[in-house]
Amino acid sequence: QVRLVESGGGEVQPGRSLRLSCAASGFTFSHYGINWVRQAPGKGLQWVAGIRSDGSDKFYSDSVKGRFTISRDNSNNMVYLQMSSLRVEDTAVYYCARDDCHSLTCYGYWGQGTLVTVSS
Amino acid sequence: QSVLTQPPSVSAAPGQKVTISCSGSSSNIGNNYVSWYQQFPGTAPKLLIYDNDQRPSGIPDRFSGSKSGTSATLGITGLQTGDEADYYCGAWDSSLSAMVFGGGTKLTVL
Repeated sequence: QVRLVESGGGEVQPGRSLRLSCAASGFTFSHYGINWVRQAPGKGLQWVAGIRSDGSDKFYSDSVKGRFTISRDNSNNMVYLQMSSLRVEDTAVYYCARDDCHSLTCYGYWGQGTLVTVSS
Repeated sequence: QSVLTQPPSVSAAPGQKVTISCSGSSSNIGNNYVSWYQQFPGTAPKLLIYDNDQRPSGIPDRFSGSKSGTSATLGITGLQTGDEADYYCGAWDSSLSAMVFGGGTKLTVL
């Protein structure tokens, strides 16, 4: 079955870096785009970044552009989110989600999420 | 402030029908597909509707989606207490080159 498992979350000080990982299984990974979506405590969903199936295109929300980098390793069915210059407002549960519409616009499978806390 | 606008909350009695609106602009809903998600507390969102009005396999036909101009609507018929959740609309925004979500709507089944 389709499975997405995030890891790498934790508590970090403002200005520091963190790398999140998303391990995929149960489907042909190289055929699907993957996105990161976050949810701050008690708040709504916020799309963070997306990467096409072959890694050719990457997209970022304005709030993370220049600070976060999305990448993928199709040989190992992994997607990464490198986060740098972290801010308190980046505190959230981060989900990776599979793009089931092949346009980065609908997310049919989600991981369980990993919590990132940015605090001094 | 979310790019897509949803009512913060809606409510209806069991067995009744409810609709949740999602308002946007020509750069998102007006020219791109809309998707809808259901989220229970402490869990990941679940895709309910994609491409404006399509249901993934396993989603009951009590859930429906529609779009007109720059607005979209999620409909839920035969409400059950188990439908109590937060609902989010989403669409690609061509001007932002980004996926945008509504602020979410909390459904209460009285």
